Amino acid sequence: AQSVTQLDSHVSVSEGTPVLLRCNYSSSYSPSLFWYVQHPNKGLQLLLKYTSAATLVKGINGFEAEFKKSETSFHLTKPSAHMSDAAEYFCVVSDMRTGRRALTFGSGTRLQVQP
Amino acid sequence: DAGVIQSPRHEVTEMGQEVTLRCKPISGHDYLFWYRQTMMRGLELLIYFNNNVPIDDSGMPEDRFSAKMPNASFSTLKIQPSEPRDSAVYFCASSPKGLVGNTIYFGEGSWLTVV
Repeated sequence: AQSVTQLDSHVSVSEGTPVLLRCNYSSSYSPSLFWYVQHPNKGLQLLLKYTSAATLVKGINGFEAEFKKSETSFHLTKPSAHMSDAAEYFCVVSDMRTGRRALTFGSGTRLQVQP
Repeated sequence: DAGVIQSPRHEVTEMGQEVTLRCKPISGHDYLFWYRQTMMRGLELLIYFNNNVPIDDSGMPEDRFSAKMPNASFSTLKIQPSEPRDSAVYFCASSPKGLVGNTIYFGEGSWLTVV
């Protein structure tokens, strides 16, 4: 079975400082991993995805994530936070070999950006 | 291109009434998903379809919930009778054909309140 754990429910940073949102996954096979962002009262938008190509994945809005198989981690980072980054972030795993097509979502990390 | 379109965006209904949520997936996408988001349980997959056929409905909470996909461009999620605990945001999402790593595109959600 696949699962994903987001290690922090809330993260608060100051504008202009780095962002780190942590995610660990569990999967029986080589997974696909995603980060989605949800702004208040909005749907979910894909930030980036890993699908067994390069382990460092670059996404939109300056975000990137590194797949580390040995640590079963897929942490999301950004060098400098912007006020508009304040949102809920979801780490997601998809394990196609289970035959189950859909995604498994983490519980989410709420990012606050202080001025 | 238009994204996933959901209606209504907001609905307030009385307990016991029937609720129908509608979704138009992105044209050409073979997979359609219904998710529910609550504070307590986060994002949960309710059901998903492939080529209009329900593949996995193990997440449907009980018989009061039903979902249909009569054609490739339309799906409904129905709750009858509705209860206050059904209050949540319901997301429809779609994904193109293919296996590993395909992005799932979300609609903006239907915000349901049952009083």
